[in-house]
Amino acid sequence: QKEVEQDPGPLSVPEGAIVSLNCTYSNSAFQYFMWYRQYSRKGPELLMYTYSSGNKEDGRFTAQVDKSSKYISLFIRDSQPSDSATYLCASFLSTGGYNKLIFGAGTRLAVHP
Amino acid sequence: DAGVIQSPRHEVTEMGQEVTLRCKPISGHDYLFWYRQTMMQGLELLVYFNNKAVMDDSGMPKDRFSAKMPNASFSTLKIQPSEPRDSAVYFCASSKPRTEFGYTFGSGTRLTVV
Repeated sequence: QKEVEQDPGPLSVPEGAIVSLNCTYSNSAFQYFMWYRQYSRKGPELLMYTYSSGNKEDGRFTAQVDKSSKYISLFIRDSQPSDSATYLCASFLSTGGYNKLIFGAGTRLAVHP
Repeated sequence: DAGVIQSPRHEVTEMGQEVTLRCKPISGHDYLFWYRQTMMQGLELLVYFNNKAVMDDSGMPKDRFSAKMPNASFSTLKIQPSEPRDSAVYFCASSKPRTEFGYTFGSGTRLTVV
């Protein structure tokens, strides 16, 4: 079992739809959670970052972490064609030193006009 | 800031040949990572450096892969001999010590071994 599981999709939605992207993780010690966005033929770029449980909002994007169920979500409101990309969730431990990010497989999203 | 710079962008080589991928991290980033991305496996960490020292290379096939960071502004990932199963996109990323800043990735090197 991978430490971070993510449905690879693809997910296709019409413009303006609300998109829900989800991941699960297995290590209960994970504390930090990130979402990266990767456009075709580009490297991943950090979209949002949250610590522990709760919600974080940034414009049309909301990241949600439920540590009790080990569930990570990213919601996109009023989705746009420019949101078409692969979205990767990631998590890591912080133990005072540095720890490597563990990535999910990524979900490919297509928003069509 | 020019970001993380990788070269070449594309590489096509024959099986058995040596391949060298290059990376220039962002100035001031102490951590450097090499990832491999395939459709089947997603992003896999191969090796990472802290202040030019290898911290974890457990993801790297050591019989054919080697990674070096001779100075703070340059790293190489070498594959010798290359095999068709090495075909993938290789990303270099760099980071400051505080991980909430996340990693900054380069645009990747698309390697095809025929």
